[in-house]
Amino acid sequence: EAGVAQSPRYKIIEKRQSVAFWCNPISGHATLYWYQQILGQGPKLLIQFQNNGVVDDSQLPKDRFSAERLKGVDSTLKIQPAKLEDSAVYLCASSFAGGGHYGYTFGSGTRLTVV
Amino acid sequence: AQSVTQLDSQVPVFEEAPVELRCNYSSSVSVYLFWYVQYPNQGLQLLLKYLSGSTLVKGINGFEAEFNKSQTSFHLRKPSVHISDTAEYFCAVSDAGGTASKLTFGTGTRLQVTL
Repeated sequence: EAGVAQSPRYKIIEKRQSVAFWCNPISGHATLYWYQQILGQGPKLLIQFQNNGVVDDSQLPKDRFSAERLKGVDSTLKIQPAKLEDSAVYLCASSFAGGGHYGYTFGSGTRLTVV
Repeated sequence: AQSVTQLDSQVPVFEEAPVELRCNYSSSVSVYLFWYVQYPNQGLQLLLKYLSGSTLVKGINGFEAEFNKSQTSFHLRKPSVHISDTAEYFCAVSDAGGTASKLTFGTGTRLQVTL
């Protein structure tokens, strides 16, 4: 079974620039999550999709972050404009509907450095 | 809302010694509990999970954890660690009853194994 694919693996941008991350979940997984992991902290949920609908985006800074999941498969997360504090690893995860019982699979993440 | 507290940010231990990484959680509903390991520059790998049934859960790489409902704890143990166990360990919780439950993580414990 193929895992959760994320790209790019690394990205360095200047503050106020924009950046986009891509995630391809495991085939058949209805639920997709984007997490932000700042150095030295645990992952924090940014947004959760069920198919192509948003379930939870309460911790997404909507003035600069946006995400979409067209056709209920791939997803992109965008930051515009980036701030220094956005430097983090952005993890994508997916699961069957039902979440915890079926488990979650994480991608390798995108490490973003804002300078 | 759910929360997870990992009581130790760092745990140094000698190779072949036993180790316990502590985790406490808070939730008003029934939960599923997870331990993940993260090696440098990699994503999160599931070590083990508690869904229901036996409170002692065995996972990969010789790790086990015990669910204690009265103490709201889910401590991770290994009887004899190896250098290769050096990594960051995250405890996480999800809602057991939800149809699309997110994971809430603790802040992590850095396990440092030395000779």
